[in-house]
Amino acid sequence: QVHLAQSGPEVRRPGASVKVSCRSSGYPFNHYAITWVRQARGHGLEWMGWINPHTGRTRFAQKFQDRITLTTDTSTTTSYMDLRSLRSDDTAVYYCARSMGTAISVAGTGDYWGQGTLVTVS
Amino acid sequence: DIQMTQSPSSLSASVGGRVTITCRASQGISNYLAWYQQRPGEVPKLLIYDASTLRSWVPSRFSGSGSGTDFTLTINSLQPEDIATYYCQAYNTVPAFGGGTKVEIK
Repeated sequence: QVHLAQSGPEVRRPGASVKVSCRSSGYPFNHYAITWVRQARGHGLEWMGWINPHTGRTRFAQKFQDRITLTTDTSTTTSYMDLRSLRSDDTAVYYCARSMGTAISVAGTGDYWGQGTLVTVS
Repeated sequence: DIQMTQSPSSLSASVGGRVTITCRASQGISNYLAWYQQRPGEVPKLLIYDASTLRSWVPSRFSGSGSGTDFTLTINSLQPEDIATYYCQAYNTVPAFGGGTKVEIK
């Protein structure tokens, strides 16, 4: 069955970078975009960006555009979210999710979710 | 980027009661609207997409409607397992979530 397994918790200093991984299994990796969402403790969901593993095309929320990189490794069916210039308000659980397809109209959806990765900036 | 406004931010209803949550988009999004359910301590789950299409696992007491800028999630006959925070999401261009609606039992 579809499964997304994320890397473990991270602690970073302000100004540093963090890279979260997300390994997909149980479906054809190139057929579905991966979207990234974060959630600060006690707060709502915040969409960050998506990547099409087949083409490498990406789209980002404006607030993250200058400091986020999304990549995929099709040989290991793993996706990566790299966030730079971390601030204390980046402390959150970061989720990867498989979308409903690769079409731009659905790439930002989250059909199957990883377990989340807590990133603490302090 | 598009802005999504959900209301109310929280509500309480009786078991068996009806719950209605609204979501408004800052610009027209056709029917590119999804609803997610996040139970306490759990990962979000996709409940409804294309404004009104239920995922296969979703009970029929849930329904979604709307198009353009105004959307509604309705839960008929609220059950204890429906206690969760519900989020709308526009997903056609640059996706965005609403602020969430926390549903509790009265």
